[in-house]
Amino acid sequence: DAKTTQPTSMDCAEGRAANLPCNHSTISGNEYVYWYRQIHSQGPQYIIHGLKNNETNEMASLIITEDRKSSTLILPHATLRDTAVYYCIVRSYTGTASKLTFGTGTRLQVTL
Amino acid sequence: NAGVTQTPKFRVLKTGQSMTLLCAQDMNHEYMYWYRQDPGMGLRLIHYSVGEGTTAKGEVPDGYNVSRLKKQNFLLGLESAAPSQTSVYFCASSFFPSGYRDTEAFFGQGTRLTVV
Repeated sequence: DAKTTQPTSMDCAEGRAANLPCNHSTISGNEYVYWYRQIHSQGPQYIIHGLKNNETNEMASLIITEDRKSSTLILPHATLRDTAVYYCIVRSYTGTASKLTFGTGTRLQVTL
Repeated sequence: NAGVTQTPKFRVLKTGQSMTLLCAQDMNHEYMYWYRQDPGMGLRLIHYSVGEGTTAKGEVPDGYNVSRLKKQNFLLGLESAAPSQTSVYFCASSFFPSGYRDTEAFFGQGTRLTVV
């Protein structure tokens, strides 16, 4: 699996957009970019994933650069409940095995 | 629909004792995973399974064994617990990935294990 690099921490004012960057410069053609978050000590929660195209769901948007070496998770209107550790993961499919390998993530602090 | 359920939620063991952590999922998922998370760190994969009767090693498999006798259950065993195995353990499950099919993993709420 390709390694990912994320900033250790970020701050965001409530109501503003939170833009969380991720570098995955060694990503392969069949590897997907996944984002999860972990609130306090709960189990990680799936947010969004994509391969090449930008994706949007009810939680967030995922912007993947054309060369696929980096991506940005966008929370359009951050709230205090979005305070969490956000993990960017590159997941590969090999037919018989698919692993999610977590890094240390970005700790997002949403403030009033 | 319970999702992924881990048993127990908390446990304190003495060094050298053994125990088994149970993970159960009711979503008919093929894939199941066991992770550990130490303070200030991300999750590290211990073992995983791609289907009933199969298991494979992850990043940190030493000191652990696993079994997947039934599709819905994935057991993590510690034969002789050590203080270094004090951690929070998370189980997850997902569908078999296929093309662009939605294959997110669902996580349990964790088991806090302390080895003294």
